[in-house]
Amino acid sequence: KAGVTQTPRYLIKTRGQQVTLSCSPISGHRSVSWYQQTPGQGLQFLFEYFSETQRNKGNFPGRFSGRQFSNSRSEMNVSTLELGDSALYLCASSPAGGYTEAFFGQGTRLTVV
Amino acid sequence: SQQGEEDPQALSIQEGENATMNCSYKTSINNLQWYRQNSGRGLVHLILIRSNEREKHSGRLRVTLDTSKKSSSLLITASRAADTASYFCATDLTGGGNKLTFGTGTQLKVEL
Repeated sequence: KAGVTQTPRYLIKTRGQQVTLSCSPISGHRSVSWYQQTPGQGLQFLFEYFSETQRNKGNFPGRFSGRQFSNSRSEMNVSTLELGDSALYLCASSPAGGYTEAFFGQGTRLTVV
Repeated sequence: SQQGEEDPQALSIQEGENATMNCSYKTSINNLQWYRQNSGRGLVHLILIRSNEREKHSGRLRVTLDTSKKSSSLLITASRAADTASYFCATDLTGGGNKLTFGTGTQLKVEL
């Protein structure tokens, strides 16, 4: 089985711009979660999508949004980028039921200048 | 916010030695998981222990869970240079779905 695929791997954006990151989960996995990792705040949960619906949400401003498509692929969008949004964004997929291990992609390294 | 604190923050050992990392968390959990991350890359799942389990083994890994103390430990036996990575504990709090809350991590360096 192919693993979780995140694109692009690296991205450089300017303050004020917006960005869209993509995640393709493992085939058959219906849950996709997004995490932000920074040196200062560590790994923080952004949101989770299941069957095209947001099922859980972390404590991030509304500039961070996401969606999930009928094939379980997910995108996250960050609008009006700030320098502090520079981070490694990780996507993880899981089988439907919850309480199971998560399979992570390699991440997208976003740098905001 | 971080659910878990890990101890130590950094650990340096010689190849062949055992490495022990500890994780403390704050609230009741459904399960606790350990992940490994190599230098800014994705996380790799190592082991999951449920709240009604006290100990679990997987290869050279041994995990314990003490729910009364809200703590867990990860033991890596006979460590290898390839074990050099950051290790995170993660707790699953929700009644459904996948929302992991990660600890601060332990950076392990295994020297030849």
